[in-house]
Formats: sequence, C-alpha cells, structure tokens
Amino acid sequence: GQQVMQIPQYQHVQEGEDFTTYCNSSTTLSNIQWYKQRPGGHPVFLIQLVKSGEVKKQKRLTFQFGEAKKNSSLHITATQTTDVGTYFCAGLRNKLSFGAGTTVTVRA
Amino acid sequence: DGGITQSPKYLFRKEGQNVTLSCEQNLNHDAMYWYRQDPGQGLRLIYYSQIVNDFQKGDIAEGYSVSREKKESFPLTVTSAQKNPTAFYLCASTPDRIYGYTFGSGTRLTVV
Repeated sequence: GQQVMQIPQYQHVQEGEDFTTYCNSSTTLSNIQWYKQRPGGHPVFLIQLVKSGEVKKQKRLTFQFGEAKKNSSLHITATQTTDVGTYFCAGLRNKLSFGAGTTVTVRA
Repeated sequence: DGGITQSPKYLFRKEGQNVTLSCEQNLNHDAMYWYRQDPGQGLRLIYYSQIVNDFQKGDIAEGYSVSREKKESFPLTVTSAQKNPTAFYLCASTPDRIYGYTFGSGTRLTVV
C-alpha cells in the first residue's frame, strides 16, 4: 500500500542554523502537502506542491517536490524558537497519507 | 470565523464504555475525516466521508463508528471493542481532497 516515510524523526537545532526534513513515497504522488503542529496543538496546513520539480518559499521555509513526484523536502533557514513543533508531510495518491513527522526542538 | 469545532477537549471514560466525540464545521466543506494520533506517531485515518449520508472506513476503523447525517457534523463513536482507545483524536475537513485539510483542535481521550 501507499506509504510515506519522513526523516529524521527528531531534529535538534541550534538557533540560527539551517535544517532540512525529507519525505519519501513508495509511489508517485498527485500532490504533497506540508503541515506544522505546535506542541499541544493541532496540525495546520502550510503548503501544497503539485508540479514535478516545484519549489515554493514561505519566508524562511523552502519546500521542494521531486522531479519524479515521489519525494519532497522542507528546508528552514536561520531557525528561530517559533519553528519548534512537528512538521508532517502528506502525500496524495488515492488517499492522503501522512508521514510520521519530524519533531524540531531549538536550542537558544 | 469559519472553522472546525471539536468537543470536548479532554475526555475521560471507564473501560468498556462507548463514547462519542463531536466534530462540527461551518466551512461548507463536503469531505470530513477522523484521525487518530499517538505519541511520536503520525496521523492514522479512522473514517472519512466525502458527502452527506456516505462514509468509508480508513486504515484503522475497527472499534469505531461514525455517522454523517448533516454536512456540518461528523461525530465519532469509540466503542468498547476498540482495544486501545486512549489517544488524541483529530477531525479535519476539506472542500475536496486535492486541497489542504483544516483540522479541529482535537479531543484527548483517556480510558481508565
């Protein structure tokens, strides 16, 4: 069945540093979505990528969809304490499948 | 403001009791979903409904039941058949599955 794998599971980052989280699917996707869940909160939709090789930016966040539409990445530059939380990717084929998430903590 | 309301926020129940979690949306979305989240894990789909009076089982439907009598409402019942019901339950909606989902604030269910 459709599976979406996300790595790393945990990311401990020094404030001001960059990091990247990766998402890989076993099958070609129609689109990929990214969500952020703050500690104690609920997932909030960030962005959706649809086209092969698509790159979108939201301030310090850069999202990329792979050429084969099987993988995606989220890169955060100059990490801030407000970036703390769990970032989920979710790939759509016949249904939307969520990865297990990357939980980000920030050292001030 | 449009959104999804889940209630209650916290729920405690004794083992063997059925419990119903409420989910109401005023976004006029056709599709609604129930997910379960366990610590350190992703979201697992329990049930979903793409239209009123119709719903489908997700990946972990055993021990759960739903109804969709109104477009705005998609309640989830956790039955005594669910072996490990303690979890964080999230309801979501979307106008169409090709768009991003809007999530409610969730219900934390603890069964003792």
